[in-house]
Amino acid sequence: AQSVTQLDSHVSVSEGTPVLLRCNYSSSYSPSLFWYVQHPNKGLQLLLKYTSAATLVKGINGFEAEFKKSETSFHLTKPSAHMSDAAEYFCVVSPADLYSGAGSYQLTFGKGTKLSVIP
Amino acid sequence: DVKVTQSSRYLVKRTGEKVFLECVQDMDHENMFWYRQDPGLGLRLIYFSYDVKMKEKGDIPEGYSVSREKKERFSLILESASTNQTSMYLCASTPFRELPTGELFFGEGSRLTVL
Repeated sequence: AQSVTQLDSHVSVSEGTPVLLRCNYSSSYSPSLFWYVQHPNKGLQLLLKYTSAATLVKGINGFEAEFKKSETSFHLTKPSAHMSDAAEYFCVVSPADLYSGAGSYQLTFGKGTKLSVIP
Repeated sequence: DVKVTQSSRYLVKRTGEKVFLECVQDMDHENMFWYRQDPGLGLRLIYFSYDVKMKEKGDIPEGYSVSREKKERFSLILESASTNQTSMYLCASTPFRELPTGELFFGEGSRLTVL
């Protein structure tokens, strides 16, 4: 069984200040973890993913996330927010080492965090 | 670039109507998915398909069916639309070899309103 919890449904930051979007997960197996971004009226786009390599993962547009097994967390950060970062962000967990065929494919999405950037 | 195209961005239907949502991908991906997105609930998997004519139920298949007659096309069907099916529907695809660690490529969504 697996689950993912995004701790904030809405985060508001000023332009130029740091961004922190929090995600906690639970998984019976070694997970793969992802962050996706969705701009208004658009589909989701992959920001970054962790698949049991380096624990600090760098993604597009200056975002990064750190996998902390002891804290079961995968928080998304960016040093300096830009207006174009205003969007909804989804944390996603997948059982990376549980692959027994296509029928076992299971992604679990968090409920999303809406990021607002104030000019 | 991978392109996943959902032909209808906005639809308004009446209760009881049959609704078809079409999705086409141009990268020869084996796996295709239909998700439903509702505010505060995230994305929930309705059905997915890992090959032509193959399908598996996701978390919320009730009231929906799917069709995959060609590799590039995956259709979601609402046999008799109801107001509680008013939602945003997202199609996605990924290559077979990417399971389960790979990136999903999403379409821009179909926003369905059932009156």
